[in-house]
Amino acid sequence: GNSVTQMEGPVTLSEEAFLTINCTYTATGYPSLFWYVQYPGEGLQLLLKATKADDKGSNKGFEATYRKETTSFHLEKGSVQVSDSAVYFCALRKSGGSYIPTFGRGTSLIVHP
Amino acid sequence: DTAVSQTPKYLVTQMGNDKSIKCEQNLGHDTMYWYKQDSKKFLKIMFSYNNKELIINETVPNRFSPKSPDKAHLNLHINSLELGDSAVYFCASSQDRRQGNTGELFFGEGSRLTVL
Repeated sequence: GNSVTQMEGPVTLSEEAFLTINCTYTATGYPSLFWYVQYPGEGLQLLLKATKADDKGSNKGFEATYRKETTSFHLEKGSVQVSDSAVYFCALRKSGGSYIPTFGRGTSLIVHP
Repeated sequence: DTAVSQTPKYLVTQMGNDKSIKCEQNLGHDTMYWYKQDSKKFLKIMFSYNNKELIINETVPNRFSPKSPDKAHLNLHINSLELGDSAVYFCASSQDRRQGNTGELFFGEGSRLTVL
């Protein structure tokens, strides 16, 4: 079956530090890959996505590249801010049909001033 | 204009009671979901529903039942509430991927259920 593995948190950084949150997946075919962010007290919202190999998704300074050879979709940001403190979820959804998305367990990011 | 809205946002109740959480989406999506998020932020799919099929996670107790009066609504009914049902419940919707889109989910803000 499909699965998504994320690095365990919390990840604690100082403001302006470089961020990487690792995500690897297992799936047949060519799924679409997503990063969702959940700010405290809110629902999840889409941060970025990529639909095919070598695609790079980007939004709000965050980036992730769809690497089929390593089945990875690592999230990166060059300089984090306190306002980036949130829980980040990696997810995949297979192409075709109404497949239920598969989510990772989430990684909590805490950014200190 | 909220895309996916849930009510109530907070719900505190006694063990053994029956309660419902309502969800509405105004995005015109044809698939809706209910997720349960525990205290460690783990998301567990409970149901997926569109006009054609209901997919139930087999680990969900049959005390939980989705009810969809129309395509824009998917309500969650819970009978005989237990302490372990305390969690945040999220409704979400998406467009069917067969229509050429990438199928990202749009989430509501969550309903925090506390069972005493």
